[in-house]
Amino acid sequence: GAGVSQSPSNKVTEKGKDVELRCDPISGHTALYWYRQSLGQGLEFLIYFQGNSAPDKSGLPSDRFSAERTGGSVSTLTIQRTQQEDSAVYLCASSLGGQALSSPQHFGDGTRLSIL
Amino acid sequence: GNSVTQMEGPVTLSEEAFLTINCTYTATGYPSLFWYVQYPGEGLQLLLKATKADDKGSNKGFEATYRKETTSFHLEKGSVQVSDSAVYFCAQTSGTYKYIFGTGTRLKVLA
Repeated sequence: GAGVSQSPSNKVTEKGKDVELRCDPISGHTALYWYRQSLGQGLEFLIYFQGNSAPDKSGLPSDRFSAERTGGSVSTLTIQRTQQEDSAVYLCASSLGGQALSSPQHFGDGTRLSIL
Repeated sequence: GNSVTQMEGPVTLSEEAFLTINCTYTATGYPSLFWYVQYPGEGLQLLLKATKADDKGSNKGFEATYRKETTSFHLEKGSVQVSDSAVYFCAQTSGTYKYIFGTGTRLKVLA
């Protein structure tokens, strides 16, 4: 597609359940990022992929959070044993990679996650 | 470390008013600077960028000038419209993969 696609757009689940969020980046973009945006907050960096590898996972809040990317394309962010504080909008972005100076990020519309 | 600081919102203006949203940064070296906009219910979109000192980024009537001497990248628009109501994020990157975003400034334009 023309842009970054995220699914689902909304997810409501009960506390303690696992959730999987999907991101389909722009074709040819080697860099992929996940961010979390909580109500009234800025963007919290979670993880960065270059190709299939994740050189920076420093933003993942706990070991309940994990992410993978396969085929240098689609990425999934998994949250296990969800807690209410996980409620937020999860944004995915992709870019051409290489030098970030000349490679702006392109964002998806996000997944709004609500934990009951 | 590197950081981005934006003025706190919300900013409420009447239609056709002049807009300034302040953004300052700290960085080692010479980062590229960006403004992103997030319309209600949507993801962030790149609004404009500047890659070196004194560059002016512009788009959709918005402008921002990269000021190295004041480490600033303030966003301006001469006459805002209701459709400009959104959250605006200032961001920098210093040549690695890492982007650093400000906390965002919500703009509300009243008809």
